Amino acid sequence: AQTVTQSQPEMSVQEAETVTLSCTYDTSESDYYLFWYKQPPSRQMILVIRQEAYKQQNATENRFSVNFQKAAKSFSLKISDSQLGDAAMYFCALKDNNNDMRFGAGTRLTVKP
Amino acid sequence: NAGVTQTPKFRILKIGQSMTLQCTQDMNHNYMYWYRQDPGMGLKLIYYSVGAGITDKGEVPNGYNVSRSTTEDFPLRLELAAPSQTSVYFCASGPGVWGEQFFGPGTRLTVL
Repeated sequence: AQTVTQSQPEMSVQEAETVTLSCTYDTSESDYYLFWYKQPPSRQMILVIRQEAYKQQNATENRFSVNFQKAAKSFSLKISDSQLGDAAMYFCALKDNNNDMRFGAGTRLTVKP
Repeated sequence: NAGVTQTPKFRILKIGQSMTLQCTQDMNHNYMYWYRQDPGMGLKLIYYSVGAGITDKGEVPNGYNVSRSTTEDFPLRLELAAPSQTSVYFCASGPGVWGEQFFGPGTRLTVL
């Protein structure tokens, strides 16, 4: 069965600095996608970044990048130049070729001015 | 495009009542999903559909039913509401099994 673990319930970062959110996962499938979603207080789920497991190159979207370590089953999210608007819950998610997308429990990110 | 819309935004039910949560998407996506999010937790899949007339169970289907008569609509039915069904419910849609899922704004349901 798929599992996704986020070991940091809360993280804090100073505005303009860099923060890394951790995620580990487990799956027996060889084909899968990994995602980071952001959930601000509005509750809306917003896709931040995604990574295809078959790609060795780490995905990057502007200030957001991932460190994908396939052998270690690790998928961390790095936020550079943190902004006040980055404050939210962040969820790591795993989807293989079944239709069940599994989410971690989330990390609450606080950005201090 | 409105994307994925859900109604109602909030609802309070008494134990034993029934209700239907509505979900509509205007992106012509074949795949649609229902999740629940309990306080302090991630989302868990209740049911999903890969096209009109095709539905299947997710991780936590007990106490729920779905139907998919059109591409656009994917209602979730709660029969005999229980306090354990107090949660925020999200509907999502996507273009394929590997694609991004687009989420609705959620419905906060309280069962008292």
